Amino acid sequence: GAGVSQSPSNKVTEKGKDVELRCDPISGHTALYWYRQSLGQGLEFLIYFQGNSAPDKSGLPSDRFSAERTGGSVSTLTIQRTQQEDSAVYLCASRQGGRTGELFFGEGSRLTVL
Amino acid sequence: QQPVQSPQAVILREGEDAVINCSSSKALYSVHWYRQKHGEAPVFLMILLKGGEQKGHEKISASFNEKKQQSSLYLTASQLSYSGTYFCGTGGDSGNTPLVFGKGTRLSVIA
Repeated sequence: GAGVSQSPSNKVTEKGKDVELRCDPISGHTALYWYRQSLGQGLEFLIYFQGNSAPDKSGLPSDRFSAERTGGSVSTLTIQRTQQEDSAVYLCASRQGGRTGELFFGEGSRLTVL
Repeated sequence: QQPVQSPQAVILREGEDAVINCSSSKALYSVHWYRQKHGEAPVFLMILLKGGEQKGHEKISASFNEKKQQSSLYLTASQLSYSGTYFCGTGGDSGNTPLVFGKGTRLSVIA
């Protein structure tokens, strides 16, 4: 596709439910990031995939959060047993490769946990 | 290690200048600058590499002082369209180091 695609754009769930957020990066981009942005806050790094290397999971806030990237393309961020504090916009970004490429962000998935 | 941005917020009148600073406690390989308008995704402005390189984007330019581990974003003759939140992102020398962003600087340009 032309840009980074994320789905769903909006998700409302009940506390304790599991959710999956999907990111489809720009074709050919080897690096993929997930960030979380709470209301009025900055971009909180969650996880980073670079090619075939093991992902950098150092930003994941708890073991309820996990992510995978299949075939070096689509990525899914899973939040288990959601809590109200998980409510935020989850942004995915991809980069062509190398250390200096710009990031292209998707429009984000807004998660609301009731 | 998250970079530190200052100021947190600034209000300008059209035509005024502003400087946004970004500093890190770690050695930097590169600094990215992005702008996010309300309700939209962040958009790339520029990347600076170590070597003190200064880059420009229209009336927005930036510098990178590798020794001081700092970068500054300069907005000159600001326009209403410059309003938004500006983020700096920093990465280390390792190719596998993720890009980590500061908390952002909210810029409001008023007529």
